[in-house]
Amino acid sequence: SYELTQPPSVSVSPGQTARITCSGDALPKRYAYWYQQKSGQAPVLVIYEDSKRPSGIPERFSGSRSGTMATLTISGAQVEDEADYYCYSTDNSGHYRVFGGGTKLTVL
Amino acid sequence: QLQLQESGLGLVKPSETLSLTCTVSGGSISDSSYYWAWIRQPPGKGLEWIGSIYYTGSTYYNPSLKSRVTISVDTSKNQFSLKLISVTAADPAVYYCARGNCSSTTCYPDSWGQGTLVTVSS
Repeated sequence: SYELTQPPSVSVSPGQTARITCSGDALPKRYAYWYQQKSGQAPVLVIYEDSKRPSGIPERFSGSRSGTMATLTISGAQVEDEADYYCYSTDNSGHYRVFGGGTKLTVL
Repeated sequence: QLQLQESGLGLVKPSETLSLTCTVSGGSISDSSYYWAWIRQPPGKGLEWIGSIYYTGSTYYNPSLKSRVTISVDTSKNQFSLKLISVTAADPAVYYCARGNCSSTTCYPDSWGQGTLVTVSS
């Protein structure tokens, strides 16, 4: 099997920068993706291919990948950014398509 | 605008079969650029990839669920379906259908349905 590891929680004040990490052994060779899930809603893709933003996603969301770690950065986090965030990727074979355990972002 | 809608029974008895269908609107399930996936989320827990299918019928299943899962596609109805046999207390979850996209190295879900809650109880 394959695992992606995220911190369970991150907390910032409004306007601060939030950083959520995701570690996995295959990340040096595989893209990372990030999903935002607000309470009671379906996940929404916020970053794809490490650092690209889908249309409609605010510019304050950015992503990066270095070695075995990918990072989602929310610059100037807002109260409406409170949500669970999941990273996603695959192992080197592509057989295992996995989500990280999720990180609960609190902005208050 | 693409929309995906899950449907099916929300209550399944232990040892029986969970069956769900996803209806795609605003796009064609036969579009060769995409594949179609099922993902689930147990209450209060994280996301788990179940499997996916291409319009040609080619499938990929999570190795941990492979022995119990079948995903099929009906291009005439623009639908794809999930069957999970022998359900247990580990299977209650919100089940999502999603459209999948592929980059040069990785395939990923890029658009999701709203999800449907499935409970397992006798």
